[in-house]
Amino acid sequence: GAVVSQHPSWVICKSGTSVKIECRSLDFQATTMFWYRQFPKQSLMLMATSNEGSKATYEQGVEKDKFLINHASLTLSTLTVTSAHPEDSSFYICSAWDRGGSPLHFGNGTRLTVT
Amino acid sequence: AQSVTQLGSHVSVSEGALVLLRCNYSSSVPPYLFWYVQYPNQGLQLLLKYTSAATLVKGINGFEAEFKKSETSFHLTKPSAHMSDAAEYFCAVSGGGFQKLVFGTGTRLLVSP
Repeated sequence: GAVVSQHPSWVICKSGTSVKIECRSLDFQATTMFWYRQFPKQSLMLMATSNEGSKATYEQGVEKDKFLINHASLTLSTLTVTSAHPEDSSFYICSAWDRGGSPLHFGNGTRLTVT
Repeated sequence: AQSVTQLGSHVSVSEGALVLLRCNYSSSVPPYLFWYVQYPNQGLQLLLKYTSAATLVKGINGFEAEFKKSETSFHLTKPSAHMSDAAEYFCAVSGGGFQKLVFGTGTRLLVSP
């Protein structure tokens, strides 16, 4: 069964509002989680590395004030898209390493549509 | 730094034919290599992984891949394609356990009856 749970699976919001996406590791503790973004028919681009108890590490070009990441516990990381705009519409996927460091487990993704 | 190159954005095969999806990697350290499959509007499912053990890796659904250091390749194969294999396939590399994964651009596998 799934070892990483992501919620919601899809969300529609109005421009200017904020949306929170949750990522949970179900049967293991994950000190590190990763957030990816995927545009239609494209590959996954790493947005940030979420570290439990400390600040996230963002990839170059990713706005940290727009994509807020909180990793408050060993089983939960959240991504908040603040003041969403239509260009933020995308498929967001979280992931976490298995206990032994391999493999990387993925959530089922969240389809965000900003109208 | 790590990177992967997947040759061919689309690969078409007939049902029952051999599947070959190509992946070449670049890594400054001994790599961990992965193949994932993605169905529409879903997350990624691990097919198989190489983490410095046996060079021929067998995965789920009849897929396998061979790590060839001399060719810096990790091609994915399946002897006989099934209609249900039609999906997007991603090759990925990391610099070891707990390191971030870098993905290739993906290859869409099309299977015709």
